[in-house]
Amino acid sequence: GEDVEQSLFLSVREGDSSVINCTYTDSSSTYLYWYKQEPGAGLQLLTYIFSNMDMKQDQRLTVLLNKKDKHLSLRIADTQTGDSAIYFCAESSGSARQLTFGSGTQLTVLP
Amino acid sequence: DAGITQSPRHKVTETGTPVTLRCHQTENHRYMYWYRQDPGHGLRLIHYSYGVKDTDKGEVSDGYSVSRSKTEDFLLTLESATSSQTSVYFCAITDRGDYEQYFGPGTRLTVT
Repeated sequence: GEDVEQSLFLSVREGDSSVINCTYTDSSSTYLYWYKQEPGAGLQLLTYIFSNMDMKQDQRLTVLLNKKDKHLSLRIADTQTGDSAIYFCAESSGSARQLTFGSGTQLTVLP
Repeated sequence: DAGITQSPRHKVTETGTPVTLRCHQTENHRYMYWYRQDPGHGLRLIHYSYGVKDTDKGEVSDGYSVSRSKTEDFLLTLESATSSQTSVYFCAITDRGDYEQYFGPGTRLTVT
């Protein structure tokens, strides 16, 4: 079955760039997603990329996709304390757009 | 805000009792989903619906049933709750052709 993996923790200094990585196994994935979850809150869709794209940029966020290696990354430029949260990678490959999630990466931004 | 509400937002129940969680959407989306979130597992799909009365199982469907008698409501039922079903439950919607999947605020369920 499908599997999505992420590292559990990442710490960065305020103002630095953060890079969160994700690997997936399903080669039929059509879309890949990044969600943000703050403590006690629901999931906020940050961005997504179609599988035939290599890169997508949206303000401070850059998504890179290496389809050959099944590797997805999210770069956050000029990381702020408000970016501290759990970031989930997810892939969609089913006909009903159902998502398979990674376990999440806890990003901590240090002052 | 994709017009998704969940009720109740918090519930404590005893082992063996039936529980129904409700997801309500206001924008006539075709697809609706139930996920559960547990530490170390991210979110896992329980059931999903692709139309009124059309539902299918997800990865962790054992012990759960769903119903969708109206476009706007998707109900998740635990026929006889167990402690392993203590979790946070999220409802989500997406529109075919619209690849953005949005989540409700979640229901925290504790089974004692």
